[in-house]
Amino acid sequence: EAQVTQNPRYLITVTGKKLTVTCSQNMNHEYMSWYRQDPGLGLRQIYYSMNVEVTDKGDVPEGYKVSRKEKRNFPLILESPSPNQTSLYFCASSLGRNVGEQYFGPGTRLTVT
Amino acid sequence: GESVGLHLPTLSVQEGDNSIINCAYSNSASDYFIWYKQESGKGPQFIIDIRSNMDKRQGQRVTVLLNKTVKHLSLQIAATQPGDSAVYFCAETTPGGYNKLIFGAGTRLAVHP
Repeated sequence: EAQVTQNPRYLITVTGKKLTVTCSQNMNHEYMSWYRQDPGLGLRQIYYSMNVEVTDKGDVPEGYKVSRKEKRNFPLILESPSPNQTSLYFCASSLGRNVGEQYFGPGTRLTVT
Repeated sequence: GESVGLHLPTLSVQEGDNSIINCAYSNSASDYFIWYKQESGKGPQFIIDIRSNMDKRQGQRVTVLLNKTVKHLSLQIAATQPGDSAVYFCAETTPGGYNKLIFGAGTRLAVHP
């Protein structure tokens, strides 16, 4: 089954404790992206990657890092999480440049206390 | 489910009626537009897209209309069903910015039997 998976689905952590949210897709997609979703704000792009070893900032990259060492994986790293990073996070992927037809993962609910 | 739509505008319709969801986009240079559906507890799902050289595009039970003069996008759903209940987002991207989608805040569609 074609899908985007994220882990963990739920995470509660404390300020300053480094964490990684994993994202993996099995569709051989070139493009991958991370979004955060907050009430009333829709989805905002954090980082995206056009292919292996090619990443770039989205609209809200501060406080986040990403890496793309393999085509299928695109982890999101929070080196020192803060409470304002409490949010719902989505990973997405698409084939080539048609980023409109993105496949989204199920989401990761992160709470930073 | 995930509470991402606490303060969203809501459109309530009767099952079987047609629904029209509206979106005002922000950038007059945007040339590609997409509608996504997000059900409770899930990631967004691609519905339909349209390029700026068109003013109408039809899918299965859905139609997207684009009015570039007033920067307005609408999604029409024919014979609305309970399974259509969800939050609907429009998204836009600009020439040369196909890597980045800008999402609207969303509209909740509630279908009543």
